[in-house]
Amino acid sequence: IAGITQAPTSQILAAGRRMTLRCTQDMRHNAMYWYRQDLGLGLRLIHYSNTAGTTGKGEVPDGYSVSRANTDDFPLTLASAVPSQTSVYFCASSAGENTGELFFGEGSRLTVL
Amino acid sequence: GQNIDQPTEMTATEGAIVQINCTYQTSGFNGLFWYQQHAGEAPTFLSYNVLDGLEEKGRFSSFLSRSKGYSYLLLKELQMKDSASYLCAVVNSNYQLIWGAGTKLIIKP
Repeated sequence: IAGITQAPTSQILAAGRRMTLRCTQDMRHNAMYWYRQDLGLGLRLIHYSNTAGTTGKGEVPDGYSVSRANTDDFPLTLASAVPSQTSVYFCASSAGENTGELFFGEGSRLTVL
Repeated sequence: GQNIDQPTEMTATEGAIVQINCTYQTSGFNGLFWYQQHAGEAPTFLSYNVLDGLEEKGRFSSFLSRSKGYSYLLLKELQMKDSASYLCAVVNSNYQLIWGAGTKLIIKP
């Protein structure tokens, strides 16, 4: 069982470019999340989805968008990347929407130059 | 505001015991999680406390006092593989998960 798969694992991107981070889960979890992790800070929620077809904004949504067309996939798009979006991005899922145990992908390290 | 406080870094010796503290101030409380994160890897679930007291799971135990806004993670018989960051996270009254910055634990032989 793969759990959660993220792609790419690492990417260097020029400022102003568009980028989509992919996330796929095979656990049939309803809820999915995108976090960013920066040195010295806790994980910060960017966007979430409690079920297919619905999405919501987290703590730091500006500059990011998501979609949830089906249960398994939850891509994160940076429409026009900026250097402050340099971070490690984690996709996560949970069985229920009220924040049960989270299962994380391996992360995507993004550098915006 | 909402805040989770953990020590930034701790050092312990292989075979010893270490206690990692977490204090929180959140709008309400619906549970507290501990996650382990090895360098360059994803966080993985360790424990969940919603009632006061100690939850033991092998070499790891987690304690919660809701009245004090306090939790700790106790690691016994430390092994080199326990070198990792330990993340404390609280579920508030809106079922939002508030994360601490994590405690980096360094194990020395």
